[in-house]
Amino acid sequence: EAGVAQSPRYKIIEKRQSVAFWCNPISGHATLYWYQQILGQGPKLLIQFQNNGVVDDSQLPKDRFSAERLKGVDSTLKIQPAKLEDSAVYLCASSLPPGGVETQYFGPGTRLLVL
Amino acid sequence: GENVEQHPSTLSVQEGDSAVIKCTYSDSASNYFPWYKQELGKGPQLIIDIRSNVGEKKDQRIAVTLNKTAKHFSLHITETQPEDSAVYFCAASPSRGFKTIFGAGTRLFVKA
Repeated sequence: EAGVAQSPRYKIIEKRQSVAFWCNPISGHATLYWYQQILGQGPKLLIQFQNNGVVDDSQLPKDRFSAERLKGVDSTLKIQPAKLEDSAVYLCASSLPPGGVETQYFGPGTRLLVL
Repeated sequence: GENVEQHPSTLSVQEGDSAVIKCTYSDSASNYFPWYKQELGKGPQLIIDIRSNVGEKKDQRIAVTLNKTAKHFSLHITETQPEDSAVYFCAASPSRGFKTIFGAGTRLFVKA
């Protein structure tokens, strides 16, 4: 079974530029998560989708971050404009049941550096 | 909201010794407690989890204990090996899986 795929793996941009990350969850997984992991910290949930609807985006900085999940499968996370403090690893995860407490499977992450 | 504290932040043990990582949580509604291992350049991977109706769970060299009254849970790794070296995260999640909160992580070094 293929795991969670993310691209790109690395991205370097200057502040005020835009950037987008892509995630392809495990086939059939209803729930998709985007996390931000700052160096030396645990992952922090940014947004959680159930199929193509948003379940929780309370910690998403909506003035600059946006996310969508097309047709309940792939998802993109965008930052516009980026700030220095956005430098982090952006992790995508998926889980099988809709809204259930089950194992989250993480992708390898996208490492973002904002200069 | 939920808050998860994890200790220690760094742990160094000799190969073959045991390692213990402890976490506390604040939200009594939390009922699912997974532990993740993160190796350099990779995403976290679930190694063991426990639900609130169970006090202890074991899987080979790894065990987790949960004390709901005290709101703390621990990861125990016995007979540590160099390949156990990684960052370990505890997490807590309320009913129905919303908003899993992670601890800050413990960097485990196993010296050969």
